[in-house]
Amino acid sequence: DVKVTQSSRYLVKRTGEKVFLECVQDMDHENMFWYRQDPGLGLRLIYFSYDVKMKEKGDIPEGYSVSREKKERFSLILESASTNQTSMYLCASTRTDTYEQYFGPGTRLTVT
Amino acid sequence: DAKTTQPPSMDCAEGRAANLPCNHSTISGNEYVYWYRQIHSQGPQYIIHGLKNNETNEMASLIITEDRKSSTLILPHATLRDTAVYYCIVAFSGGYNKLIFGAGTRLAVHP
Repeated sequence: DVKVTQSSRYLVKRTGEKVFLECVQDMDHENMFWYRQDPGLGLRLIYFSYDVKMKEKGDIPEGYSVSREKKERFSLILESASTNQTSMYLCASTRTDTYEQYFGPGTRLTVT
Repeated sequence: DAKTTQPPSMDCAEGRAANLPCNHSTISGNEYVYWYRQIHSQGPQYIIHGLKNNETNEMASLIITEDRKSSTLILPHATLRDTAVYYCIVAFSGGYNKLIFGAGTRLAVHP
């Protein structure tokens, strides 16, 4: 069974902290994505990666960075967390020849 | 990517067919229609996709009109576990497989 796992389901951090959200997929997928989901705003794409060490900005990259050192792992980094980054963060992966994205369970991040 | 329009909410009785409509009047020839759903507190889940022919799998059926300007997702025998937000997404084959999620339709299946 295909799997996308995220490092935490719930996370509470303080304003100004550096935050790492980890995502791992076991399907050998080339593409990986980070979204955030907020009430009334739906899912919005933050960053995506189509290969190791490659990254592209999504629709709302400000305040975030990413790292993909290995094919199976895609990390989202909040350099200095702010309260407006309180959200549900979702990771997904897919092969290059399809839009069938597999999503992880999500990390609910609260920044206080 | 073409925009989609879906009703914000729908109700369905358990055991009946749920028919979820989607309008995508600006769809172009190489764009596919994808459907996902998101059950509360979970990540979205892929359901089905199609280009111009009707498609069926173990979860649902997808009916695309001949002019491709609209489609309907059919859950033939809805259960309480089908209560979710359903997203209709149009995407062309190529690029980096980015999906643009709209607001979706909140389907409530009731006993």
